Amino acid sequence: AQTVTQSQPEMSVQEAETVTLSCTYDTSESNYYLFWYKQPPSRQMILVIRQEAYKQQNATENRFSVNFQKAAKSFSLKISDSQLGDTAMYFCAFMKYGGSYIPTFGRGTSLIVHP
Amino acid sequence: DVKVTQSSRYLVKRTGEKVFLECVQDMDHENMFWYRQDPGLGLRLIYFSYDVKMKEKGDIPEGYSVSREKKERFSLILESASTNQTSMYLCASSSATGQETYGYTFGSGTRLTVV
Repeated sequence: AQTVTQSQPEMSVQEAETVTLSCTYDTSESNYYLFWYKQPPSRQMILVIRQEAYKQQNATENRFSVNFQKAAKSFSLKISDSQLGDTAMYFCAFMKYGGSYIPTFGRGTSLIVHP
Repeated sequence: DVKVTQSSRYLVKRTGEKVFLECVQDMDHENMFWYRQDPGLGLRLIYFSYDVKMKEKGDIPEGYSVSREKKERFSLILESASTNQTSMYLCASSSATGQETYGYTFGSGTRLTVV
């Protein structure tokens, strides 16, 4: 079974600064997907970024980028130029390639961006 | 814009009541899911469905049942609500086409309080 660990329950950052959220996972699979989801205080969870394990290149979406270290089973999320709207819970998730299409979620990191 | 719609944002029910939580998606997704979200515990899968009239138990199905009579609608049923079912309930859907997946689309959530 896969496990996903987010070791930082809470983090804070000043507006315009950069913050990195950590995520590690444990799996014996070689092909899989990794995701970061964002859940703002309004509650609707949205997909931030997606990484396919067989791709070497780290995924990037505007101010959001990941550092994917497959050998270390690490998938951290970097938020550059943090904005107040980035305040949210962030969940890391793992999904096996094919199979049941059910992700395993971490317990989340609460990020607060201070003005 | 694609949507997963949960019928209620907030619900207050009495112990012992039968509770229906409704979820509708307009994306023609095959897969639908119900999660509950509790602080410190992350997301826990209650039930999921890969097709109409199909259902599978997740990690915490006790006290819950589901119904999927139409592809777009997935209902979660609390047969006899109890106070320990007070929680945030999230519905999600996804499309799995062959080996590809783009993650979940979530609803806005239903905050259920059982008194």
